Amino acid sequence: DAGVTQSPTHLIKTRGQQVTLRCSPKSGHDTVSWYQQALGQGPQFIFQYYEEEERQRGNFPDRFSGHQFPNYSSELNVNALLLGDSALYLCASSLGQGARTEAFFGQGTRLTVV
Amino acid sequence: GEDVEQSLFLSVREGDSSVINCTYTDSSSTYLYWYKQEPGAGLQLLTYIFSNMDMKQDQRLTVLLNKKDKHLSLRIADTQTGDSAIYFCAEILFSGGYNKLIFGAGTRLAVHP
Repeated sequence: DAGVTQSPTHLIKTRGQQVTLRCSPKSGHDTVSWYQQALGQGPQFIFQYYEEEERQRGNFPDRFSGHQFPNYSSELNVNALLLGDSALYLCASSLGQGARTEAFFGQGTRLTVV
Repeated sequence: GEDVEQSLFLSVREGDSSVINCTYTDSSSTYLYWYKQEPGAGLQLLTYIFSNMDMKQDQRLTVLLNKKDKHLSLRIADTQTGDSAIYFCAEILFSGGYNKLIFGAGTRLAVHP
């Protein structure tokens, strides 16, 4: 079992550009959540996808959007990049929507905006 | 509100016990988690505790929960240099049929000889 895989591992973009990050969930998982972890901080919830729809959203602007595919993999898109978008972006996968859900995280994509 | 607080830094001697503390605000949280993050890596789930439990032990790890004070702690017995990492406390918020994790800022554990 490959666990949660994210690509790419590192990315450098210029302010104003757009970026797409990808995530493949752990085998058997149907829910994907995205988190942003700025340097020295804990992960902040961006949004969650289940059954190919965005189910929950954190306090992030519309520049952040996503998609979930029929195979449960997911993409995170960020438009009009700002310097402040530089962070580690973590994908977490889980099974179902119960109150007890074990979330497994990928290694993350380190995004640097210059 | 959604807020999880942790002390930022802890230094211990190898072989001693480490205790990392956390406070959370949402009394409806059903599960509380501890994650470990090593340099340049993602988050590794260490352990979790259900809100109706006071204590959970898993090998060298002991989790204590004081629900009245909304206080959670992680004790690592016989701390090793490989335990050096950032430890995150997280609560799960279940709302409208969907859940999300709220993390603290993390406690950096440094283990020295």
